[in-house]
Amino acid sequence: GQSLEQPSEVTAVEGAIVQINCTYQTSGFYGLSWYQQHDGGAPTFLSYNGLDGLEETGRFSSFLSRSDSYGYLLLQELQMKDSASYFCAAHSGGYQKVTFGTGTKLQVIP
Amino acid sequence: GAGVSQSPSNKVTEKGKDVELRCDPISGHTALYWYRQSLGQGLEFLIYFQGNSAPDKSGLPSDRFSAERTGGSVSTLTIQRTQQEDSAVYLCASSPRALAVYEQYFGPGTRLTVT
Repeated sequence: GQSLEQPSEVTAVEGAIVQINCTYQTSGFYGLSWYQQHDGGAPTFLSYNGLDGLEETGRFSSFLSRSDSYGYLLLQELQMKDSASYFCAAHSGGYQKVTFGTGTKLQVIP
Repeated sequence: GAGVSQSPSNKVTEKGKDVELRCDPISGHTALYWYRQSLGQGLEFLIYFQGNSAPDKSGLPSDRFSAERTGGSVSTLTIQRTQQEDSAVYLCASSPRALAVYEQYFGPGTRLTVT
């Protein structure tokens, strides 16, 4: 089967850095993507890692280690608007099979 | 440009009734997904369409659920004989390229409540 684990909640201070971890058990694994979802909103794509290493997109970076079946999302210079749920999603079976984690609710406090 | 649209935004139905949910993907996007999200939960994959290929229906929870995509564009998710456990937000997403379906664009969802 496919499963992903993420912490359910994380709290961090405005301006700080926070790391959200994701471990996965996925057969035929292709890559890991990350999505942000504000309360009542639709998920929006943040980043994708198909290869090991770090991908950087502005304040957000994502990392993948295939050997450890592990990835993380790094958010820098946290802003209040970053308060949202963050989902990792594992792609397998030729990309199209997508399994989402249960999400991490990030609360940014002043 | 227009994003992914879904209708209705909210649907309240009685147990045992059939419902149809509609998704209009971004024009030109070849891949289309349906997901279900229960309150405070992650996204549960339901079905995937890619161009004219046979859909991947492996996520449909029961034979009460079906979906079609006409002309490679609009998609309809049908739930027959609805049950209370079907209550959730149903999300549709489209992707522009077959080899880049990790970059999905989501619609606002349809909130289904079965009473």
